[in-house]
Amino acid sequence: DAGVIQSPRHEVTEMGQEVTLRCKPISGHDYLFWYRQTMMRGLELLIYFNNNVPIDDSGMPEDRFSAKMPNASFSTLKIQPSEPRDSAVYFCASSLRTGEDEQYFGPGTRLTVT
Amino acid sequence: ILNVEQSPQSLHVQEGDSTNFTCSFPSSNFYALHWYRWETAKSPEALFVMTLNGDEKKKGRISATLNTKEGYSYLYIKGSQPEDSATYLCAHPLDYKLSFGAGTTVTVRA
Repeated sequence: DAGVIQSPRHEVTEMGQEVTLRCKPISGHDYLFWYRQTMMRGLELLIYFNNNVPIDDSGMPEDRFSAKMPNASFSTLKIQPSEPRDSAVYFCASSLRTGEDEQYFGPGTRLTVT
Repeated sequence: ILNVEQSPQSLHVQEGDSTNFTCSFPSSNFYALHWYRWETAKSPEALFVMTLNGDEKKKGRISATLNTKEGYSYLYIKGSQPEDSATYLCAHPLDYKLSFGAGTTVTVRA
């Protein structure tokens, strides 16, 4: 398996534009997680899915953020409209199960909003 | 308030020296404790998942111990090498999701 795949690796956009980040988890993993890394808050969980169903989105900062998982092999994180404070590295991770199993992280998407 | 506390926040080690650092977590309703290594400009990579009190796991020169009764885990690096420079994160499941500590950043000086 190629591991968790994220695209794009880098995204530069202007404030107010819509941004879509994509993730393909490891095949067979039931759990998918979206994290954001910032200098101030470290690695914070935004949302996670179990079998394509969103379980906990309490980490999503506000209504401008939304995430979907239409099937077992694809998830998106969308920011609309984007703001400069959204600039961060966004990681997607997947695991077989939650808690007990290690999470496999994708390479991340570095988002810059100007 | 972090569910998981790590100390120290950072440390510098001379190449060849050994070092260790701590992760503390709530001891009640223990389920598992994860360690991840996070190199600069890369993504976190799992080192260990520990579930049993007294457990000790090893991967090369890196090892970890677990005390679930008192709520702490130690990570040891023996004979540090420059490639060990990274941030080491521990994480504890909370409400079916991982709660990460802030990490210990290790810099190995040649």
